Amino acid sequence: KAGVTQTPRYLIKTRGQQVTLSCSPISGHRSVSWYQQTPGQGLQFLFEYFSETQRNKGNFPGRFSGRQFSNSRSEMNVSTLELGDSALYLCASSLPKTGAPGEQYFGPGTRLTVT
Amino acid sequence: GENVEQHPSTLSVQEGDSAVIKCTYSDSASNYFPWYKQELGKGPQLIIDIRSNVGEKKDQRIAVTLNKTAKHFSLHITETQPEDSAVYFCAASMSRSGGGADGLTFGKGTHLIIQP
Repeated sequence: KAGVTQTPRYLIKTRGQQVTLSCSPISGHRSVSWYQQTPGQGLQFLFEYFSETQRNKGNFPGRFSGRQFSNSRSEMNVSTLELGDSALYLCASSLPKTGAPGEQYFGPGTRLTVT
Repeated sequence: GENVEQHPSTLSVQEGDSAVIKCTYSDSASNYFPWYKQELGKGPQLIIDIRSNVGEKKDQRIAVTLNKTAKHFSLHITETQPEDSAVYFCAASMSRSGGGADGLTFGKGTHLIIQP
């Protein structure tokens, strides 16, 4: 079974621009979560999508948004980029479990550099 | 919100020896505790997890223990090998009443170095 795929793997953008990152979950997985990884803050949860609906959200400004399509693929968008948005953005997919968190499997990430 | 502390930040052990990484969490409602291994240039890889209804779980050379009363959990790697060198993260999560779970809250990571 193919793992989680993320595109693009590397991206360089300028302050003020916007960016869209894409994630394809493991086949059959309907939940997609996004995380930001930086050396200073570590791994931080952005949001989770399930059945095309944002089900859960972390503590990030409204410039960070996402969506999920009917085939469970997900995109996240960052508008008005700031230097501090430079990070590795990771997508994780999981099978939902009834009444319990499901195991999350991560993709390789998209390395975003803002100049 | 949940807070996860992880120690040590760096751990160097001789090949063949055991390694132990410890984490504490703050929210007693957390009920799921996965461990991830991240190698350079790759995403985190789930290596083992434990749920709050279990005290210990083992998978070959890797084991995890959970003490709900003390709110801490630990990763144990025995007979370490060079390929175990990586950054290890602990995490915690809890179920939501509306379904699904809160996002994972991660520790800051432990850089495990296996000395030949």
